[in-house]
Amino acid sequence: DAGVTQSPTHLIKTRGQQVTLRCSPKSGHDTVSWYQQALGQGPQFIFQYYEEEERQRGNFPDRFSGHQFPNYSSELNVNALLLGDSALYLCASSSRYYGYTFGSGTRLTVV
Amino acid sequence: GEDVEQSLFLSVREGDSSVINCTYTDSSSTYLYWYKQEPGAGLQLLTYIFSNMDMKQDQRLTVLLNKKDKHLSLRIADTQTGDSAIYFCAESEGGSQGNLIFGKGTKLSVKP
Repeated sequence: DAGVTQSPTHLIKTRGQQVTLRCSPKSGHDTVSWYQQALGQGPQFIFQYYEEEERQRGNFPDRFSGHQFPNYSSELNVNALLLGDSALYLCASSSRYYGYTFGSGTRLTVV
Repeated sequence: GEDVEQSLFLSVREGDSSVINCTYTDSSSTYLYWYKQEPGAGLQLLTYIFSNMDMKQDQRLTVLLNKKDKHLSLRIADTQTGDSAIYFCAESEGGSQGNLIFGKGTKLSVKP
């Protein structure tokens, strides 16, 4: 049984560009959450999607947006990239009956 | 606001016990978690405890919760070199699917 799959694994972008990260949840999970982990820090909650709607949101600017598709997969979009957006972006899937399972993350470097 | 605090480093000898401590601030947290992160990898759930429990044991892992002091600890018995990693404490707002609030992590180094 595949766990949570994230793509790409690594990405380099230039300041001001836009980026899209992708996540496929674990089989049986219907909820996707995104976290940002800066170097040397713990993960910080960005937002959570359920039934294709944003259900909860952390303290991140509107440059961070997301989407959930009918098959429960999700995208994280970041516009107008800043150097400070460089981080490991983690996707976690869950459901009412199962706790969180994290993917291996996408390492985003903004230059 | 909610905050989770952990000591940043812990060094132990192989075969010894490791104890990683964590304090949290949100008294309404219902779930408290311990995650392990190896270099370049995502987060692996080690164990969790409900807020109405004092202790949970799972093989080499023992979690102790002092709800009055908002203190959580993870004890790893017979620590091995493969246990070297960063350990994160996290509390959950709003139940099992509430968003997780993480500490900065404790880097555990196990010396042979």
